Amino acid sequence: QVQLVQSGAEVKKPGSSVKVSCKASGGTFSSYTISWVRQAPGQGLEWMGRIIPILGIANYAQKFQGRVTITADKSTSTAYMELSSLRSEDTAVYYCAVAGKEGSFDYWGQGTLVTVSS
Amino acid sequence: DIQMTQSPSSLSASVGDRVTITCRASQSISSYLNWYQQKPGKAPKLLIYAASSLQSGVPSRFSGSGSGTDFTLTISSLQPEDFATYYCQQSYSTSCSFGQGTKLEIK
Repeated sequence: QVQLVQSGAEVKKPGSSVKVSCKASGGTFSSYTISWVRQAPGQGLEWMGRIIPILGIANYAQKFQGRVTITADKSTSTAYMELSSLRSEDTAVYYCAVAGKEGSFDYWGQGTLVTVSS
Repeated sequence: DIQMTQSPSSLSASVGDRVTITCRASQSISSYLNWYQQKPGKAPKLLIYAASSLQSGVPSRFSGSGSGTDFTLTISSLQPEDFATYYCQQSYSTSCSFGQGTKLEIK
């Protein structure tokens, strides 16, 4: 049973960056594919990108290219999502999720609220 | 990018009703279609993967069908705990994407 525990809520100024962590336990971290999905208040789910820790390869949604960086530390079984040049529209709950069968997300973190406000 | 369109956006129904939610992909995604349930303040929960496979622990009143571009999620007999928002997700392309969601409300 995989468990994903994310870092706590953040309040950031416009133009700054945020880095959210996602610590995994209960499985083999390097074998996962970990995605980041965000949800703005009252809105739907938006996929941002993924990383395969064993390969160290990340790919990103076109919308976030150049602004998001997803990394993984195999030694601590932790994935990170850093989003830069923050604007108010980036206010959202950010989730990490592990891909399972046929690319579905069967394990999710609890979510991290990032608020961007001056 | 593959666009996913769900219908309806919202739906009112009663306990015991049979409910169907539709998801359409902008191009063929074979059977790489997954369904999630989300309740307020909670992370999404996987219900159906690969269009029609029931995730372990999910009640059998949930079922999925379809392939190519058109898919459905059916709840055979609504229970009080089923009132939530439902999302489809395609995992066919390198960049996966979600539908906009269907909010299922009590009539």
